[in-house]
Amino acid sequence: GENVEQHPSTLSVQEGDSAVIKCTYSDSASNYFPWYKQELGKRPQLIIDIRSNVGEKKDQRIAVTLNKTAKHFSLHITETQPEDSAVYFCAASHGYSTLTFGKGTMLLVSP
Amino acid sequence: GAGVSQSPSNKVTEKGKDVELRCDPISGHTALYWYRQSLGQGLEFLIYFQGNSAPDKSGLPSDRFSAERTGGSVSTLTIQRTQQEDSAVYLCASSPTGDPTDTQYFGPGTRLTVL
Repeated sequence: GENVEQHPSTLSVQEGDSAVIKCTYSDSASNYFPWYKQELGKRPQLIIDIRSNVGEKKDQRIAVTLNKTAKHFSLHITETQPEDSAVYFCAASHGYSTLTFGKGTMLLVSP
Repeated sequence: GAGVSQSPSNKVTEKGKDVELRCDPISGHTALYWYRQSLGQGLEFLIYFQGNSAPDKSGLPSDRFSAERTGGSVSTLTIQRTQQEDSAVYLCASSPTGDPTDTQYFGPGTRLTVL
């Protein structure tokens, strides 16, 4: 089955800096890669996703890049703000499988 | 509209007891998922229901775990003879069609503590 590795497990940045979280996956058939954000004490929510027919997708301060050859994808957050502090989960799936999640990255943005 | 709801929000039980956790998905969503979230372990898939199809139980960690979904709506996750390692937050999610590319909408979770 699919295996998703996520790094780093924790990431501390200063407000205004950029943050990058990286994930690798094992199943070359995977073609859908969402990112979920879970604020402290709250439920996970989808923030951005990418499909295998594109290499990059942006939504305001967040972007996701995908390298299918290397089987890795990354979340980029620019101009970080304290409200970006949360646990971020990457995930992967292909057409007939459920999502496999990474173990999460705790992002701490200091004012 | 109403989101995914779960009950109870917290459950404390003694080792060896059975527990039932409930999930009410978003109305009209055909797919329902159960996950377990342990500290540092991310979101561990447990079971998946899609319409009237047989559920995908491939993530259930042992035969002490079972789940059912009645009438294509409410789901109950049952853990029999609970063990301390079952302590975790149990999250339920639903999605409109069950396509893996559908957004999953999560409930607030049930925090289970086994003493």
